[in-house]
Order: sequence, then structure tokens, then C-alpha cells
Amino acid sequence: DTGVSQDPRHKITKRGQNVTFRCDPISEHNRLYWYRQTLGQGPEFLTYFQNEAQLEKSRLLSDRFSAERPKGSFSTLEIQRTEQGDSAMYLCASSLPLSKAYSNQPQHFGDGTRLSIL
Amino acid sequence: AQSVTQLGSHVSVSEGALVLLRCNYSSSVPPYLFWYVQYPNQGLQLLLKYTTGATLVKGINGFEAEFKKSETSFHLTKPSAHMSDAAEYFCAVSANTGGFKTIFGAGTRLFVKA
Repeated sequence: DTGVSQDPRHKITKRGQNVTFRCDPISEHNRLYWYRQTLGQGPEFLTYFQNEAQLEKSRLLSDRFSAERPKGSFSTLEIQRTEQGDSAMYLCASSLPLSKAYSNQPQHFGDGTRLSIL
Repeated sequence: AQSVTQLGSHVSVSEGALVLLRCNYSSSVPPYLFWYVQYPNQGLQLLLKYTTGATLVKGINGFEAEFKKSETSFHLTKPSAHMSDAAEYFCAVSANTGGFKTIFGAGTRLFVKA
């Protein structure tokens, strides 16, 4: 059973640079979520996709952030002109579609990408 | 809107002692409730979930939680702590309010003393 895969695991970059992270969800999961987690905090919702459609974006997702899921499979999260405050763990999660569930399905998480801004 | 409050950012127990991690939620509609565990440098792993039905929910690794609507609580317990239980635990809530966005608490770090 292949879980949620995130790449890279760690990214160190200088302030002002652009970075892109990739997430490969569990194959039969059509919902994909991005979260940001800072030290000592729980994950904060950023955005989610159902198939290729981006259905909701948090106010945390400034215009420097963009997420895509072009074919409804893997997703990318890009941060442009990185700032010190972007340093965090970026988590991706996926879940089964609601149409196949009698109730809300739990999310399966990847191991995250830790971003450090110098 | 939903919110989660985890009481106590750190909990320390002795090996073999009872584990009790507290979670209170707020939701304007019937909630779905979850407990996740996170080990260092890893993602979150689902321990258990409450959707509907039986209010006492059993999860993996001997953990269980009880949904108490009157107290808006979903506390996590384990009768006997093991060293391997040392980790960060997150309570989470979601609800059908046009989407099932999940809101997480700030987490409780569990320390287990030998």
C-alpha cells in the first residue's frame, strides 16, 4: 500500500527565491489537501482539491502561494518570493471521495516538506 | 465554524500509567472528530475517528476516545502508557458545512517516563 508521498523532504533556500513542492496522493483518493505546520502548532489548512478543481483556499494562502493539480493526480505547491515567515513544514494529505463514503473520510498524511528560509 | 482546544500543551506520565489527553471542540453542526499522532519529522497518523453511532471509539495502539456532546469533549485515553507512545497528539474536527475542511488543535506532547 503506497501512502502519500511528498518531495522534497527538506528544502533550504534564500529569502526571495521561489520554491515548488510536490505531493503524490494515494491513487484512489480524489481529495487532496495542503496544510502548513509551524513549530508547536497543529496543521493549518491552506487549500484543497477535489480531482483537479481547487475548491477552497484559506486566507493564509497569500498571492505568493499557488497550488495546482492539473490532471487530478499529483499536486504542486509553489511559493514565490519566499519570506522568513514561510519557514514551516508543508503537509499534504489525501482522502477518499465523499460519494463513496457514508461519512467524512479521514485524511492520510505524507511526511511533509520542511522549508527553511535563510 | 469549527474550533478545537487541547488542554495542556505537554503531558507527562510514567510507563504503565493512564494516559488522558483532553480535547474540547466547538461546532455549529454535528461534528466529525479525529485524533492523530505525529512522531518527529513525520506526517500525521490517524489514531481513531468519531462520525456517528457509538460514542466510545476504539483506535489503534490501545487508544480510545469518548464523544460527549453535552460536554463538547472528545478526550483520548489509554489505560497503560508505553514508551513508544511518546509523541505529539492532535485532536481535529470537521463538519459538513459545504466542505469537510479539518481544523486541528495546537497539539499535546506526551512524555513517557521509565
